[in-house]
Amino acid sequence: QKEVEQNSGPLSVPEGAIASLNCTYSDRGSQSFFWYRQYSGKSPELIMFIYSNGDKEDGRFTAQLNKASQYVSLLIRDSQPSDSATYLCAARAFDSGYALNFGKGTSLLVTP
Amino acid sequence: DAGVIQSPRHEVTEMGQEVTLRCKPISGHDYLFWYRQTMMRGLELLIYFNNNVPIDDSGMPEDRFSAKMPNASFSTLKIQPSEPRDSAVYFCASSLAGGSTDTQYFGPGTRLTVL
Repeated sequence: QKEVEQNSGPLSVPEGAIASLNCTYSDRGSQSFFWYRQYSGKSPELIMFIYSNGDKEDGRFTAQLNKASQYVSLLIRDSQPSDSATYLCAARAFDSGYALNFGKGTSLLVTP
Repeated sequence: DAGVIQSPRHEVTEMGQEVTLRCKPISGHDYLFWYRQTMMRGLELLIYFNNNVPIDDSGMPEDRFSAKMPNASFSTLKIQPSEPRDSAVYFCASSLAGGSTDTQYFGPGTRLTVL
């Protein structure tokens, strides 16, 4: 079973702080990783993707990948109440075609 | 550009009835995915198509579920007969292979309630 694991939360951080969201995966064949944000009652929307080990920054968001540890994270700097949502981590393996394997998501609450 | 379109947005039906969910992918996209989301199981891939051909249906829970893609702009997911445990939000997503991100764009979802 190819698993993508996330802490369900809720993760509560004060406004302006850094939120750190973590994800582990079991399939060593996973090659690309995606972070989606899902507001309550809405559909998932892509925030970032990462393919290579290391950090990738996009505005207030930084994705980190460590393939040796099978670990992916998403950092959100200067968190805002509007960042309150569920964050889904997804992995894709080369042999799975274009199918994504999603974790169950971490609920983030940014308090004013 | 219109995004992925799904209909209906909400469906309430009784156990044993047939349910048909519809999806129109983004024009030009060659991959179409059907997902189901529940609190217990999260977001699960049911089936996906490439150029209208089913590629992987291993996520389809049982024979009561079937999906078709008769052309590049339309797909259906059918449940017959429906059961209360089928209650979930069903998402359709599409993507364009070979793009820089292979991003999957999700539709608004269909919330299905089976009584």
